[in-house]
Amino acid sequence: KQEVTQIPAALSVPEGENLVLNCSFTDSAIYNLQWFRQDPGKGLTSLLLIQSSQREQTSGRLNASLDKSSGRSTLYIAASQPGDSATYLCAVPAPGGSEKLVFGKGMKLTVNP
Amino acid sequence: DVKVTQSSRYLVKRTGEKVFLECVQDMDHENMFWYRQDPGLGLRLIYFSYDVKMKEKGDIPEGYSVSREKKERFSLILESASTNQTSMYLCASRQTGSFVETQYFGPGTRLLVL
Repeated sequence: KQEVTQIPAALSVPEGENLVLNCSFTDSAIYNLQWFRQDPGKGLTSLLLIQSSQREQTSGRLNASLDKSSGRSTLYIAASQPGDSATYLCAVPAPGGSEKLVFGKGMKLTVNP
Repeated sequence: DVKVTQSSRYLVKRTGEKVFLECVQDMDHENMFWYRQDPGLGLRLIYFSYDVKMKEKGDIPEGYSVSREKKERFSLILESASTNQTSMYLCASRQTGSFVETQYFGPGTRLLVL
């Protein structure tokens, strides 16, 4: 059974810091990994999707890396801003090539001005 | 842009009422999903539909049913609402068979059962 873990559950930092968010998964037989953002009371928005053949993906100040062999992914946020405050979730496909995703419980980020 | 809409942002219902949550997507996606999200428990899949009239139970289907009569619409039904079904409900859709497609989420429905 695939399990996805995000530690810590919450993080509070001053504006301007470079951040690393962690995600680990137990079954390395995945074909991609995704990072989502969720603002309070809203739905999820996809940030980055890394295919298993890639090691990283970048979008603006965000960079996500994937190490399948160790069962880990990191989301790097450069020069954090108060607008980055949100919950960040990672997700991998359920075992067996399913269309379903297995989500971590998320990490709540607060960036203080 | 893909758009997933949900019929209500907030709902208040009484115990025992039948509740319908509607989700509509405009990108002709085969796959649609219903999740609930609770503090400390994360997102949990209730039901999944991979085509019209086709459905598959998720991790927590008890107390729920679904209907997919048209490709763009996926309904979640609480046959007899209970207080433990108070939650945030999220709908999502996805194109099938692609390794690079994400799930697109609606804005969510916050349901309170009194």
